[in-house]
Amino acid sequence: QKEVEQDPGPLSVPEGAIVSLNCTYSNSAFQYFMWYRQYSRKGPELLMYTYSSGNKEDGRFTAQVDKSSKYISLFIRDSQPSDSATYLCALLETSYDKVIFGPGTSLSVIP
Amino acid sequence: GAVVSQHPSWVICKSGTSVKIECRSLDFQATTMFWYRQFPKQSLMLMATSNEGSKATYEQGVEKDKFLINHASLTLSTLTVTSAHPEDSSFYICSARVVGYQYEQYFGPGTRLTVT
Repeated sequence: QKEVEQDPGPLSVPEGAIVSLNCTYSNSAFQYFMWYRQYSRKGPELLMYTYSSGNKEDGRFTAQVDKSSKYISLFIRDSQPSDSATYLCALLETSYDKVIFGPGTSLSVIP
Repeated sequence: GAVVSQHPSWVICKSGTSVKIECRSLDFQATTMFWYRQFPKQSLMLMATSNEGSKATYEQGVEKDKFLINHASLTLSTLTVTSAHPEDSSFYICSARVVGYQYEQYFGPGTRLTVT
């Protein structure tokens, strides 16, 4: 079983839709949960991070963590064509000191 | 947010030559930097962890003599691909971690290496 799993997509939605991106993981020791956005041929950009179970909101983005289910989500409200990118979840176990990245989900927002 | 630069952004070299890629944290100090490799439509593969003033830690399967890493200052790490071969062609991305914040890692824009 891989440490972090993520549906690769591609996911295609109409502009204005609510997008749900998800990751599951196997190691209960992960403590920090991040989401990165990567445009084609660019480096990933840190969108959000959360430390514990619950929700964290930043503008149109909401990150949700359910540690009991080992499940994390990123919701994008009012999606825009500029949101079209690959979204990677990333998890950190502080004692291991390395961030583990999911394989990424490719999102296309159609105008 | 914090800014990380990489240079060059794109390089073509001949087989057998060496290429150096620079990674700089522009507005923060980074005692730890990371080097990744990414193939098309695939996720990031960690190659090595670079710590300022000490030897890099390489991931299993990464040849340390082929991928030389130097982290000479708190804002600069370099990756040298020695005796490059076509199979080394890839997208190389560095990241820098904010001191004291393990979860806060910022990426450079990447370097596309093509070996002919």
